[in-house]
Amino acid sequence: EVQLVESGGGLVQPGGSLRLSCAASGFTFSSYEMNWVRQAPGKGLEWVSYISSSGSTIYYADSVKGRFTISRDNAKNSLYLQMNSLRAEDTAVYYCARPDQIRVDYYYYYYMDVWGKGTTVTVSS
Amino acid sequence: DIQMTQSPSSLSASVGDRVTITCRASQSISSYLNWYQQKPGKAPKLLIYAASSLQSGVPSRFSGSGSGTDFTLTISSLQPEDFATYYCQQSYSTPRITFGQGTRLEIK
Repeated sequence: EVQLVESGGGLVQPGGSLRLSCAASGFTFSSYEMNWVRQAPGKGLEWVSYISSSGSTIYYADSVKGRFTISRDNAKNSLYLQMNSLRAEDTAVYYCARPDQIRVDYYYYYYMDVWGKGTTVTVSS
Repeated sequence: DIQMTQSPSSLSASVGDRVTITCRASQSISSYLNWYQQKPGKAPKLLIYAASSLQSGVPSRFSGSGSGTDFTLTISSLQPEDFATYYCQQSYSTPRITFGQGTRLEIK
């Protein structure tokens, strides 16, 4: 069974740090790009960060750039998100999500077809 | 960034109704549009990709259409399990994807 399982969430004070993990199973993790997506309480979905299959290409949303670091260990089938200088507005459920793509004619269409159940991060004093 | 705007933000409907949700992009995104369903306390689930392609295992009462800037998700006959929140998402600017704000579908 294809599965993603997040862990590492919790309560942290403003300015603190937290490291999230996402364990992948049931597919060849090293062949897939990966994303982190978050959802603040009662709000919509927000893309946070992307990492290529090799880890050589990384992108961040402006809201977390300079504070969060995405990484992966393909030997351990794991994705990580190091979160520093946390703010109240970082409070959210954090999902890891596996993107995939399909070719139709000459075009590649990209979507996220596997999601973890999420881990909750609460930033509060 | 490409902004995605859904309408309505919330919708009340009855079992058996036909429902349409609209998503508009701030610029043309061709057919790089996906739809997700999310139930309370659960992760999003992919329904439609490439604007109109049904994800494997998704009931055929769900359909998507549109291209350019205007897209629709239609549920032909609402079932009790369809009451959820729906999100559109553009993949034109992959990997910097963006989501609509969501449409909450409630039971009338």
